[in-house]
Amino acid sequence: EVQLVESGGGLVQPGRSLRLSCAASGFTSGDYAMHWVRQAPGKGLEWVSSISWNGGTIAYADSVKGRFTVSRDNAKNSLYLQMNSLRVEDTAFYYCAKDMHYSISGSEGIDYWGQGTLATVSS
Amino acid sequence: QSALTQPPSASGSPGQSVTISCTGTSSDVGGFNYVSWYQQPPGKAPKVMIYEVSKRPPGVPDRFSGSKSDNTASLTVSGLQAEDEADYYCSSYGGSNNLVFGGGTKLTVL
Repeated sequence: EVQLVESGGGLVQPGRSLRLSCAASGFTSGDYAMHWVRQAPGKGLEWVSSISWNGGTIAYADSVKGRFTVSRDNAKNSLYLQMNSLRVEDTAFYYCAKDMHYSISGSEGIDYWGQGTLATVSS
Repeated sequence: QSALTQPPSASGSPGQSVTISCTGTSSDVGGFNYVSWYQQPPGKAPKVMIYEVSKRPPGVPDRFSGSKSDNTASLTVSGLQAEDEADYYCSSYGGSNNLVFGGGTKLTVL
């Protein structure tokens, strides 16, 4: 059974950093591209970042470019999101998600989602 | 990276059919056959219902179907059931390694 479990969320002040982790199981994570998608409370889904199977291709939404860094460790079946210079508008549930394809160049779509971890940015 | 356009709400009575639209551009929906639809019940994570425009993952009832015409994709739910009440989101590959989502549609079963 495919499982994605996020961790690392919490309350942080504007301008500070947070590192999210996603532990994958039930599949060979190194065979698939992965994504981070966020959802502000009561709002819609917003794509944040994508990383190809080997980390060779990475993409970010304009809203987080230059502040967030995605990475993966296939040996540990883990995905990460380093979030720096956090803003109030970054407050959201952050979902780790598995793509159906190994590449993000022509993503075939997401087939599994984690339950999300809440990052709250507030003074 | 503009969001795809969905109607904010849709509704139907049990047994009826309802169609939700998702409008993009030739750079996303119209340019690729990588449109997906996700169902999100309140307080839960999204679940894929349709991928690659019209394909259903195992376990998804055949009451759910997808299609696309030019820059607009559609999700049709036939034989509405109370359990279908949820938020529905479309997404598409947006080119340049991007994904783009719709704003979401709240489906109400009357």
